[in-house]
Amino acid sequence: EDKVVQSPLSLVVHEGDTVTLNCSYEVTNFRSLLWYKQEKKAPTFLFMLTSSGIEKKSGRLSSILDKKELFSILNITATQTGDSAIYLCAVVSNTGNQFYFGTGTSLTVIP
Amino acid sequence: DTAVSQTPKYLVTQMGNDKSIKCEQNLGHDTMYWYKQDSKKFLKIMFSYNNKELIINETVPNRFSPKSPDKAHLNLHINSLELGDSAVYFCASSRGIDNSPLHFGNGTRLTVT
Repeated sequence: EDKVVQSPLSLVVHEGDTVTLNCSYEVTNFRSLLWYKQEKKAPTFLFMLTSSGIEKKSGRLSSILDKKELFSILNITATQTGDSAIYLCAVVSNTGNQFYFGTGTSLTVIP
Repeated sequence: DTAVSQTPKYLVTQMGNDKSIKCEQNLGHDTMYWYKQDSKKFLKIMFSYNNKELIINETVPNRFSPKSPDKAHLNLHINSLELGDSAVYFCASSRGIDNSPLHFGNGTRLTVT
């Protein structure tokens, strides 16, 4: 059965800390892996990763994929209270263009 | 300009009622989805349509019936609502043919009392 597992489930850090969120997957016919940030409403797209070892970076956020070990990490450096959200990992299968979501990591950044 | 819009935002209804949620996207995407997000924030795929054709139909009670009148619209009708149907329902769309991300609507929070 296809599945996506994220860890930790929740995390509380202080402003300025660096955090690493994990996503491991077992999905047949893998196409890509995506990270989303969900605050109060809709998840918003952060990164898409298709190739191993190539880091994607946007400001203080960065992500990398390991297709051999079947996982990805999302790093956030110098965290701010605005980073508080649920971070969702999704893996896309070529079969039916299906997006499988993990359970999410709830990040809380306290001042 | 709202890319993926769904209505209503909130829906409170009693058990046994029938309700519909509407979704429209103006991105020109070919594929549309319905996801259910439970209280633990897990997003589970319910249905997927590509060019008005059903391509994914996960294990969902047949009280849930999607309808796609055209590729820009995907509505969700729910019959005989149950307490366990309470959740946030997200509509989403994607280009469907390449590595394009999902774009989500803002969700419909359904509460069944």
